Amino acid sequence: DGGITQSPKYLFRKEGQNVTLSCEQNLNHDAMYWYRQDPGQGLRLIYYSQIVNDFQKGDIAEGYSVSREKKESFPLTVTSAQKNPTAFYLCASSLLEPGEKLFFGSGTQLSVL
Amino acid sequence: AQRVTQPEKLLSVFKGAPVELKCNYSYSGSPELFWYVQYSRQRLQLLLRHISRESIKGFTADLNKGETSFHLKKPFAQEEDSAMYYCALKRDSNSGYALNFGKGTSLLVTP
Repeated sequence: DGGITQSPKYLFRKEGQNVTLSCEQNLNHDAMYWYRQDPGQGLRLIYYSQIVNDFQKGDIAEGYSVSREKKESFPLTVTSAQKNPTAFYLCASSLLEPGEKLFFGSGTQLSVL
Repeated sequence: AQRVTQPEKLLSVFKGAPVELKCNYSYSGSPELFWYVQYSRQRLQLLLRHISRESIKGFTADLNKGETSFHLKKPFAQEEDSAMYYCALKRDSNSGYALNFGKGTSLLVTP
């Protein structure tokens, strides 16, 4: 099951702890994205990156941070400032040409202990 | 503001019945719209996009700019169509394929 890989599948966070979700892709895609999925809320954009060493905030970036040091990798850190981190997190990637689409990972479920 | 509205959380139909999943959007420019689908235990994947004007798995969707709608239709539902469907809108031309998603509609096709 190659393409875009998220790890771990399940993650638990203690109060006041930062945790990092991994997202790696071997599709040679330029752009990568992080979404948060809550029941009944659909997907909401956290951050996205169209090129290495550059990224933009989405609609709900507060309490999250990202880095894009390599084209293949776009890790998401959920900081202690995120007061409601329990959610399903989806990573996606895409090329940037017209007619392209998002390729999604299988997701990480983050829960607070 | 760019927004996607899917008014139905759950839609239940019988096998062989027509299906219409509603999607309305708000966007000031020329919209680029998509339908994504998530089958049980599978990844979210593209079903179709309006610029292709294609039919995938018997589904079609027509962009109606006057009504700002992009409803997904299929004339005869099959049990394997049961899934979560998301309508999505490309945010703008400067943000790659960063999409605004609706809240999703769960389609259940019963025998």
